[in-house]
Amino acid sequence: DTTVKQNPRYKLARVGKPVNLICSQTMNHDTMYWYQKKPNQAPKLLLFYYDKILNREADTFEKFQSSRPNNSFCSLYIGSAGLEYSAMYLCASRPTGGREQYFGPGTRLTVL
Amino acid sequence: AQKVTQTQTSISVVEKTTVTMDCVYETRDSSYFLFWYKQTASGEIVFLIRQDSYKKENATVGHYSLNFQKPKSSIGLIITATQIEDSAVYFCAMRERVSGTYQRFGTGTKLQVVP
Repeated sequence: DTTVKQNPRYKLARVGKPVNLICSQTMNHDTMYWYQKKPNQAPKLLLFYYDKILNREADTFEKFQSSRPNNSFCSLYIGSAGLEYSAMYLCASRPTGGREQYFGPGTRLTVL
Repeated sequence: AQKVTQTQTSISVVEKTTVTMDCVYETRDSSYFLFWYKQTASGEIVFLIRQDSYKKENATVGHYSLNFQKPKSSIGLIITATQIEDSAVYFCAMRERVSGTYQRFGTGTKLQVVP
């Protein structure tokens, strides 16, 4: 089973409010990624965990937080949502030594 | 730094014909992986096919194949006998084998297959 799950599938948030997105996989993959995808743009890497080590992109360092309490679970946290955060958020995972990434169905976040 | 470029923003083809989507990349590494993904109407991204840079033979999976031209840093996706359900956005991606821990994506090519 190469399933990556994301919850919720759709999220409506108010400007200035926090948002917490959840991703899970039961494949024992040691690397988990979060991407932001806006229309007509490439998926943009926000951060990733290799095992328990969090790596965040420099330009999104302060905007997104994450936690990974166990190998299967990874969250993406936005402390104060802005209109520019409206996007599809995609979680992916990859096993050690694996080539391709397996994506979840995404969470479509709309900030009003 | 690695970079992936897809210059075709959209393509329209007639069903049952063959289509090629272009992708060029930049990397300083001698060994890397190239990928093509498909984004469905629901937004889900699905892995299609991969080319390892150290392999000369072009990868083929079902009706997907790749045209890997290493000297040109080019990895084209070829879909033969296209079907209506192939209509989607296709992304090219690359990950460097030694230094890369994540994939860099292109901006995507929207394919429309019409009857």
